[in-house]
Amino acid sequence: DSGVTQTPKHLITATGQRVTLRCSPRSGDLSVYWYQQSLDQGLQFLIHYYNGEERAKGNILERFSAQQFPDLHSELNLSSLELGDSALYFCASSVDSPHTDTQYFGPGTRLTVL
Amino acid sequence: AQSVTQLGSHVSVSEGALVLLRCNYSSSVPPYLFWYVQYPNQGLQLLLKYTTGATLVKGINGFEAEFKKSETSFHLTKPSAHMSDAAEYFCAVSADSNYQLIWGAGTKLIIKP
Repeated sequence: DSGVTQTPKHLITATGQRVTLRCSPRSGDLSVYWYQQSLDQGLQFLIHYYNGEERAKGNILERFSAQQFPDLHSELNLSSLELGDSALYFCASSVDSPHTDTQYFGPGTRLTVL
Repeated sequence: AQSVTQLGSHVSVSEGALVLLRCNYSSSVPPYLFWYVQYPNQGLQLLLKYTTGATLVKGINGFEAEFKKSETSFHLTKPSAHMSDAAEYFCAVSADSNYQLIWGAGTKLIIKP
């Protein structure tokens, strides 16, 4: 158990819909990262938040957005969903820097868009 | 720009045999290097990392990796494979405090009985 929790575990929805994925980081970790993992694209970094502020963006679509709240939990919002958005979405947390700190991954949310 | 190449999307070894998973990187400055493992239906977890100091790094579950600057490599090895090592392994590199980790495409390790 990494100490990172993600809800829900599975999500099935239809094209065009909007969903919210939730992540609670390990106690004491200020950084939260979101990743997308799919068979064709592999592991893709989406976005990084540190103590409520966006720090870096990766391959995140404009239809996707995220935020980190004062209690440090984070949400990833996916809108106007397409079939290709079906993937495993991971949240990870670390104490601070992605440069050196170990990232602790949650169990993931499996999103299926029908 | 930094990049990471993992040679072989799938590697198959017999139980008890040597495991060698290859990772090469490109970076203009000394990098920090990581290996993560993903067991089926789970998130990733850190196996080992190189930041500074000794170039041979020992990790969990009997794995180790050696940073070879001249070869720009950080290959992962384990002397004797176990069935429980079957998983996907990811190499990642970071060479600047402003950079996020750059991830390799992953190598699936298959253990034959």
